[in-house]
Amino acid sequence: AQSVTQLDSQVPVFEEAPVELRCNYSSSVSVYLFWYVQYPNQGLQLLLKYLSGSTLVKGINGFEAEFNKSQTSFHLRKPSVHISDTAEYFCAVSVDYKYIFGTGTRLKVLA
Amino acid sequence: NAGVTQTPKFQVLKTGQSMTLQCAQDMNHEYMSWYRQDPGMGLRLIHYSVGAGITDQGEVPNGYNVSRSTTEDFPLRLLSAAPSQTSVYFCASSPVLGGLNEQFFGPGTRLTVL
Repeated sequence: AQSVTQLDSQVPVFEEAPVELRCNYSSSVSVYLFWYVQYPNQGLQLLLKYLSGSTLVKGINGFEAEFNKSQTSFHLRKPSVHISDTAEYFCAVSVDYKYIFGTGTRLKVLA
Repeated sequence: NAGVTQTPKFQVLKTGQSMTLQCAQDMNHEYMSWYRQDPGMGLRLIHYSVGAGITDQGEVPNGYNVSRSTTEDFPLRLLSAAPSQTSVYFCASSPVLGGLNEQFFGPGTRLTVL
């Protein structure tokens, strides 16, 4: 069965510092990978996705993620965070008609 | 386009009551799904539909019913509400079958069952 693991439930980081949010998945078949962001009291919106091709994927708001097939990881990075990046971030995989989400990582950017 | 809309935004029920959470999308998307979001558990798939007239169960379907009579609408019915169904419910849609496409999410319905 497919699963998604987000190792960190909360990540505090100072403004303008870099951040990495970790995501590992397990699947016996090829998957498509996504990162979504959820701002307080809102629905989820897409940050970026990996379907095929280049393993480094760039998304909105300066975020990027790297697909590593051998380590089954899809970590999200940003070189310099802003207060406005405070939100919850979800990694997801898509297999067949189903999307499987991780448990989320709360990013809190400190002034 | 309004995107994905959900009503109501908030709802309080008593144990045993039934209700329907409404979801509509105006993007002509084939794939629609319902999730519940609980602290520390992420989003869990309740039911999904790959087109009008076709629905299937997700990870946590017990206590919920769905139907898909039109492409636009995908209501979620709680048959007999229980406190364990207190959660935030999200509806989502995606353009076509398969996992290539992102999902578009509604703003959510916050449900409390007393």
